[in-house]
Amino acid sequence: EVQLVESGGGLVQPGGSLRLSCATSGFSVSDWYMDWVRQAPGKGLEWVGRSTNKADSYITEYAASVKGRFAISRDDSKNSLYLQMNSLKADDTAVYYCVRRGVFNSFDYWGQGTLVSVSS
Amino acid sequence: DIQMTQSPSSVSASVGDRVTVTCRSSQGISSGLAWYQQQPGKAPKLLMSAASSLQSGVPSRFSGSGSGTDFTLTISGLQPDDFATYYCQQTKSLPFTFGPGTTVDIK
Repeated sequence: EVQLVESGGGLVQPGGSLRLSCATSGFSVSDWYMDWVRQAPGKGLEWVGRSTNKADSYITEYAASVKGRFAISRDDSKNSLYLQMNSLKADDTAVYYCVRRGVFNSFDYWGQGTLVSVSS
Repeated sequence: DIQMTQSPSSVSASVGDRVTVTCRSSQGISSGLAWYQQQPGKAPKLLMSAASSLQSGVPSRFSGSGSGTDFTLTISGLQPDDFATYYCQQTKSLPFTFGPGTTVDIK
């Protein structure tokens, strides 16, 4: 069974940093494109960034709103994905979802999400 | 970036009703569209990819159509579990933008 479990969320001050983790099981993360999506409280969904798979050299791309501040990495030995978030702003407050990209570029599996709150 | 719009923003319906949600992209995306359902407090769930390809395990009362810039999601015979928010997403090019969502609530 495919599972994705995020962790690492919490309360952080503006300008601070946080690292989210996504532990996966039921598939080999190195074979799949993986993305991060976020959802601000009471708002819609926003794509954050993606990492291609091993075959495509783990290339990352980011939304303009986080480019230069966020970075996606992987540890294939742990079947895990990470999101390093630096220079956090109040607008980054959201539930962050780790997602697997399946056929036709759709997001076929989602984690349960982890809440990041940026506030002084 | 490709902008996505949805209509209506919300709809009230009864069990058994037929509900249609419309999604429009700011430029042509061929069939590069996915639909998701989100229950309150839960992660989104993939319903449909490539505009009309039903995800495994999703009931056949859900159907999708469209190509280019105009797409629809239809729920034929609304069930209690279907009261939720529905999002479209273009999967043609990065950034993969989402529509603002359509909430289906109980009349």
